Amino acid sequence: EAQVTQNPRYLITVTGKKLTVTCSQNMNHEYMSWYRQDPGLGLRQIYYSMNVEVTDKGDVPEGYKVSRKEKRNFPLILESPSPNQTSLYFCASSGQGVYNEQFFGPGTRLTVL
Amino acid sequence: ILNVEQSPQSLHVQEGDSTNFTCSFPSSNFYALHWYRWETAKSPEALFVMTLNGDEKKKGRISATLNTKEGYSYLYIKGSQPEDSATYLCAFCHTGNQFYFGTGTSLTVIP
Repeated sequence: EAQVTQNPRYLITVTGKKLTVTCSQNMNHEYMSWYRQDPGLGLRQIYYSMNVEVTDKGDVPEGYKVSRKEKRNFPLILESPSPNQTSLYFCASSGQGVYNEQFFGPGTRLTVL
Repeated sequence: ILNVEQSPQSLHVQEGDSTNFTCSFPSSNFYALHWYRWETAKSPEALFVMTLNGDEKKKGRISATLNTKEGYSYLYIKGSQPEDSATYLCAFCHTGNQFYFGTGTSLTVIP
């Protein structure tokens, strides 16, 4: 089954404790992206990747890091999480960037205390 | 920061009514406009990807149009059904790589 998976689905952590949210897709997609969803705001793009070893900042990259060492995986790293990073996070992938529909993962709800 | 606006913010219609929403976006540096359907407790699912001025796309009772020169897209739902209840998101694609989402239109179809 074609899908985007994220882990964990739910996470409660404390300020400053490094964490990684994994994202994996099995569709051989070049383009992958991370978004955050906050009440009253649209999905905001954090980082995106056009292909392996090619990543770039989205609209709200501060406090986040990503890597793209393999085509299927695009982990999101919070080296020192803060309460303002409490949010719902989505990973998405598509075949050829913006000209193809994005497939979204199930979401990760993160709470930083 | 680019501004993508969707209106109305929310909408309640009776089953069988037809309805439409608007997505407004900057008319410069246009690459693509995406529509997504987002049901509660699920992930957004793609409806349409529109790339050319004048594009019209249709999927069952749902259709969309695109005007890149004036910076807007319309989404139409004909004969709304309760299962159409969801939030409808548009995403403007800028510089070929980045997406800017609107805050969505929340549709409730009353049986």
